[in-house]
Amino acid sequence: SYELTQPPSVSVSPGQTASITCSGDKLGDKYACWYQQKPGQSPVLVIYEDNRRPSGIPERLSGSNSGNTATLTISGTQAMDEADYYCQAWDSSTVVFGGGTKLTVL
Amino acid sequence: QLQLQESGPGLVKPSDTLSLTCSVSGGSISSSSYYWGWIRQPPGKGLEWIGSISYSGSTYYTPSLKSRVTISVDTSKNQFSLKLSSVTAADTAVYYCARLLRSGNTGYAFDIWGQGTMVTVSS
Repeated sequence: SYELTQPPSVSVSPGQTASITCSGDKLGDKYACWYQQKPGQSPVLVIYEDNRRPSGIPERLSGSNSGNTATLTISGTQAMDEADYYCQAWDSSTVVFGGGTKLTVL
Repeated sequence: QLQLQESGPGLVKPSDTLSLTCSVSGGSISSSSYYWGWIRQPPGKGLEWIGSISYSGSTYYTPSLKSRVTISVDTSKNQFSLKLSSVTAADTAVYYCARLLRSGNTGYAFDIWGQGTMVTVSS
């Protein structure tokens, strides 16, 4: 079965750029999307089709996908960005989630 | 604005069947642009996709749960449902329903989520 691998944690200083990676075999041949989940809340879609932002998602969140790796980039990271982030793709008629990355804003 | 709301028992006994319903309001469940899905999250752990269904009833399940899962849709009531049989403590989780946006062959993303419902499996 298809697998997506994320680092368990990423730390960033306020105002700096955070990058969260998601790796999977030939992931660049598929669309990847990203969710943000804060404690006690439902996940929120922040990036879909590799790099598209739903309405209301700030421009400082961006995505890319090439080769075996999709990346979520958060520019000018703010305290409010501290959350768990999950990547997701569709493979062989199944939804696959990455294990999640906890972003800490120090 | 479209909203999804999960409903069902919060406590299920081991070996019983877990049954949840997701009610869709503010829009129709009958659209070819979307599927509808169930996702769960055990306490302190990550997201796990359970399965998805189209408004016409086509179903897709995660292989690890396929033998125990049934997802159905009722377009007249604008809702879809989850049944998970022979539950154990490992099935204790927050269960979410969500709308799955479809784009091309691989562009699938859950763009609207319910608030989630905690289901505990215990005697």
